[in-house]
Amino acid sequence: EPEVTQTPSHQVTQMGQEVILRCVPISNHLYFYWYRQILGQKVEFLVSFYNNEISEKSEIFDDQFSVERPDGSNFTLKIRSTKLEDSAMYFCASNGGIYEQYFGPGTRLTVT
Amino acid sequence: GNSVTQMEGPVTLSEEAFLTINCTYTATGYPSLFWYVQYPGEGLQLLLKATKADDKGSNKGFEATYRKETTSFHLEKGSVQVSDSAVYFCALLSNSNSGYALNFGKGTSLLVTP
Repeated sequence: EPEVTQTPSHQVTQMGQEVILRCVPISNHLYFYWYRQILGQKVEFLVSFYNNEISEKSEIFDDQFSVERPDGSNFTLKIRSTKLEDSAMYFCASNGGIYEQYFGPGTRLTVT
Repeated sequence: GNSVTQMEGPVTLSEEAFLTINCTYTATGYPSLFWYVQYPGEGLQLLLKATKADDKGSNKGFEATYRKETTSFHLEKGSVQVSDSAVYFCALLSNSNSGYALNFGKGTSLLVTP
C-alpha cells in the first residue's frame, strides 16, 4: 500500500541553525501539507501546497518557514533559523482529493 | 473560528469494555468530520469520516455519527481490544478553507488492559 515517508525520523539542531525536513508524498497525490505537534499539545496546521504554490498557511508559518517541491517526488519544509519553540513533531500529509489526508510517520525536531 | 474539543485523557479500559470518546466542534459552513488514530511510534491514520449531517462513519468496529444539532462526533466501539491502545484525534475540515487544512482536537490517549 502506498505511504507517505519522511526523513529523518529525528533531527537535533542548535538554535539559529537551518533545518530541512523531507517528505515523499504518495506518488499520484496533488495536495501536500505540513502539520506540527508540540509535545503534549494538539496537531496544528502549518501550510498546504497545490500546483507548485502555497494554497493556505497558518499564523505559525511565518517568514522563517518555507516549502518546496524541488522535483517530482520530494516535498520539503525549511526552517531558516530555528528557535527553541520550534521543537516539535512535524508531520507531512498528502491527498489526491479533498477529504482523506494520508500522514507520514513524522520527524521529531529537537532544537537545543 | 473553527475548533474541536475532545474529552481529556488518558482513558483506561479493560478489554471488551465499551468505549466512548467525546468530540464537539465549532465551525463555519458545513464541515466534514474525521477521527484519526496514532499508534505508538507511527503517524496519523484516518480511522473514519463523515461528510454531512447524520452520516455515520465506521471502520474496524468504531463508529461516529455526525450530529449537527449537538455539533458532536463522538467515537464509539462496543468491545475494545488491547490492540486499540493508541491516541485518537477528532478533526474538522471546513469547506471555507481554500487549502483544505484539518483542524485537530488535542487527542485522547486510550489504554486497553487485558
